[in-house]
Amino acid sequence: AQRVTQPEKLLSVFKGAPVELKCNYSYSGSPELFWYVQYSRQRLQLLLRHISRESIKGFTADLNKGETSFHLKKPFAQEEDSAMYYCALRGSISNFGNEKLTFGTGTRLTIIP
Amino acid sequence: DVKVTQSSRYLVKRTGEKVFLECVQDMDHENMFWYRQDPGLGLRLIYFSYDVKMKEKGDIPEGYSVSREKKERFSLILESASTNQTSMYLCATQYAGTGDYEQYFGPGTRLTVT
Repeated sequence: AQRVTQPEKLLSVFKGAPVELKCNYSYSGSPELFWYVQYSRQRLQLLLRHISRESIKGFTADLNKGETSFHLKKPFAQEEDSAMYYCALRGSISNFGNEKLTFGTGTRLTIIP
Repeated sequence: DVKVTQSSRYLVKRTGEKVFLECVQDMDHENMFWYRQDPGLGLRLIYFSYDVKMKEKGDIPEGYSVSREKKERFSLILESASTNQTSMYLCATQYAGTGDYEQYFGPGTRLTVT
């Protein structure tokens, strides 16, 4: 079975300090991982996906297959980074062969001014 | 720009009532999903649909059913609402083509069952 674990429910970081949101996964196949973000009073949206290897809003995430991790990092936190962050794994196959996403339990990030 | 709308932002219902949550998208996406979002539990998939009249159970389908009569509309039905179904409900859509696994979410419906 596939699983996504986000060990921190809450994370508080001072503005300007580095941020790291942890995500670990278990999956027997080749994983595809994502980070979704939900800002206050906004809808959930895709932040980044590992296959793109891109930096979005200063955030990066590297897939480490050896450690089965996909941690989200940013070198200098900004107040507007305060939000709920979800790690998600593509790969679970339904009975009819349809793939779906499995989400972690989320981490609420608060940036302290 | 993908637009996903949900019929209500807030809904209050009584135990035992039948509840309909509607989701409409305007991007011709094949796949549509219903999740519930609870603190500490994250997003959990209730049902999804990959075509008109086609549906599949997610991880927590008990107490729910769905309907997809038209491609753009996906309804979540609580046959007899219970207090443990008080939650935030999110609808999402996704293009079924290969290579794009981004899901687009609606604003959510906060349902309170009293």
